[in-house]
Amino acid sequence: DIQMTQSPSSLSASLGDRVTITCRASQSVRNYLNWYQQKLGKAPKLLIYAASTLQNGVPSRFSGSGSGTIFTLTISSLHSDDFATYYCQQTYSTLYTFGQGTKLEI
Amino acid sequence: QVQLQESGPGLVKPSETLSLTCSVSGDSITSHYWSWIRQPPGKGLEWIGHVYYSGSSRYNPSLKSRVTLTIDTSKNEVSLKMDSVSAADTAVYFCAKRAYGSSFWLDPWGQGILVTVSS
Repeated sequence: DIQMTQSPSSLSASLGDRVTITCRASQSVRNYLNWYQQKLGKAPKLLIYAASTLQNGVPSRFSGSGSGTIFTLTISSLHSDDFATYYCQQTYSTLYTFGQGTKLEI
Repeated sequence: QVQLQESGPGLVKPSETLSLTCSVSGDSITSHYWSWIRQPPGKGLEWIGHVYYSGSSRYNPSLKSRVTLTIDTSKNEVSLKMDSVSAADTAVYFCAKRAYGSSFWLDPWGQGILVTVSS
């Protein structure tokens, strides 16, 4: 299995802050890396796919980068709507795996 | 606009079979793989597996012996059956479409259904 490790597991930040979440894969996943946002009681929402492509309708303050084993999700200026849990996911191997999540709190 | 809706019993007894259905609207069910993912209360996401209308499927090895995914093209539905459930299978179960391009991603997702395993 490809293990996905996110850091940090939790993060406290303020409105307007720039934040970066890192996701590390235990082996190369090329660009088969996606980012999701999940709010309490809701389904995950796709933010970024193929490591750096912004999903339609997602604000441009979100961006993704990386390839191989290290990836980052950056929010350039935090809005109140951004406080949620974020997951990375690899779809390179036949067993898709998620990171453990990063909870972004005020 | 693609919409997915999970349905099924919210309570299943230990050792019995969990059966869920995902109704797909706004898209051709024969054009994509369809995934199931679960999330135990307060925990992270676990991919269960995915299925294509032809019957081609992949499962998480940790669940493979107990899970069967099928598609009913006449009803535009994806089904999940999980045998011999225990309390560890208590979770919110989501279905999602596997989209593809330069890689694969899951979008959209259904709203999810909470299934509790308890006697």
